[in-house]
Amino acid sequence: DTEVTQTPKHLVMGMTNKKSLKCEQHMGHRAMYWYKQKAKKPPELMFVYSYEKLSINESVPSRFSPECPNSSLLNLHLHALQPEDSALYLCASSHGGAGFYEQYFGPGTRLTVT
Amino acid sequence: GEDVEQSLFLSVREGDSSVINCTYTDSSSTYLYWYKQEPGAGLQLLTYIFSNMDMKQDQRLTVLLNKKDKHLSLRIADTQTGDSAIYFCAKQAPSNAGKSTFGDGTTLTVKP
Repeated sequence: DTEVTQTPKHLVMGMTNKKSLKCEQHMGHRAMYWYKQKAKKPPELMFVYSYEKLSINESVPSRFSPECPNSSLLNLHLHALQPEDSALYLCASSHGGAGFYEQYFGPGTRLTVT
Repeated sequence: GEDVEQSLFLSVREGDSSVINCTYTDSSSTYLYWYKQEPGAGLQLLTYIFSNMDMKQDQRLTVLLNKKDKHLSLRIADTQTGDSAIYFCAKQAPSNAGKSTFGDGTTLTVKP
């Protein structure tokens, strides 16, 4: 199984809502990532979890709150978002640890903030 | 991405070969990746090469690396309409474990 799954596929939320994005992988990977991608642009790294610990936070606003409950799951909690946060949110996973490991991406959650 | 540059568009005829180019900075050892993204989808890893290699072939895909010029290319043989997508070049260095730097992507259009 080389699949990363993400739910929901689409999400529309108001600026006062609280919602969560979910990501799951069963490849035994120990590193998981959140990216934000605007249309026609490359993905921008937001967070990296390595062995369930947050290892990289790319100065992301606190209205985005990541959580890694276990090695297979990654959540992104959203609160008080702005319209400019509308984007495709991609989750990825890799083997983790030292060295180079290719990342496997999920299909993404298309988020619209109204 | 500021360290990885790609041309933005490429158009080819079905059955021809496509060559997508990428240049990168940074002299340290690095892995270089090619990803494909179809409309509305996530990124699909196509292939990768380590910076001490010259070439890697995988079915219709050939990756060539000119280490001196830091120039990477992805050749797709017998290009099909299903190859139409955005192709991202990315690099990953040991000093930034877990972080990949992406190019802006090349939109490949395959005309029948």
